[in-house]
Amino acid sequence: QSALTQPPSVSGSPGQSVTISCTGTRSDVGSYNRVSWYQQSPGTAPRLIIYEVNSRPSGVSDRFSGSKSGNTASLTISGLRAEDEADYYCNSYATTSAWVFGGGTRVTVL
Amino acid sequence: QVQLQQWGAGLLKPSETLSLSCTVDGGSFGGYHWRWVRQPPGKGLEWIGEVHHSGTINYNPSLKSRVTISVDTSKSQLSLKLSSVTAADTAVYYCAAAWHYYYGMDVWGPGTTVTVSS
Repeated sequence: QSALTQPPSVSGSPGQSVTISCTGTRSDVGSYNRVSWYQQSPGTAPRLIIYEVNSRPSGVSDRFSGSKSGNTASLTISGLRAEDEADYYCNSYATTSAWVFGGGTRVTVL
Repeated sequence: QVQLQQWGAGLLKPSETLSLSCTVDGGSFGGYHWRWVRQPPGKGLEWIGEVHHSGTINYNPSLKSRVTISVDTSKSQLSLKLSSVTAADTAVYYCAAAWHYYYGMDVWGPGTTVTVSS
């Protein structure tokens, strides 16, 4: 299984929106609505922010939203804030009864 | 509040076996699906494997020949063993739990740094 493809970095000014793409194949993202997104700040464990493509766990800001089209899932952060600066990872279930992560995207708030 | 505790050896020599354990505080061990994830220094996350609460175990195909994941329900403990380690196995190892199998890992351990060096 190959890692899902994410852009290495995205950036935006406070208040703007940024979108992170996560491209897989018909064997993972394209076959299942089982895509999760994680936020990771330096030196800390990842934190779940989106599951099943577009659902948010309790306590996660509604500024985070997810979507999917074909083999590509996306995470959008609206109303960007300084506290959103972190690494973001997508994760998808795959046909091999396995889970695969994306390579990660660093979000920078300008 | 549910928290995970992890422990295990942090420094190994090449060819040795990595051994880590994980347990839950404040939650029902048997109600979760358990996973191990690792992160090499400066790199991304890699799924190692999992135990479904039914007992089914799945492994990352790239690590399958060297990995053993098990649970001891009497001790509410999850374990990871990785044999024949090399420098490429140097990473922070996380245990993580998912209450609903497809809903993502909603509880994470603090991570254990494992270094492989001669």
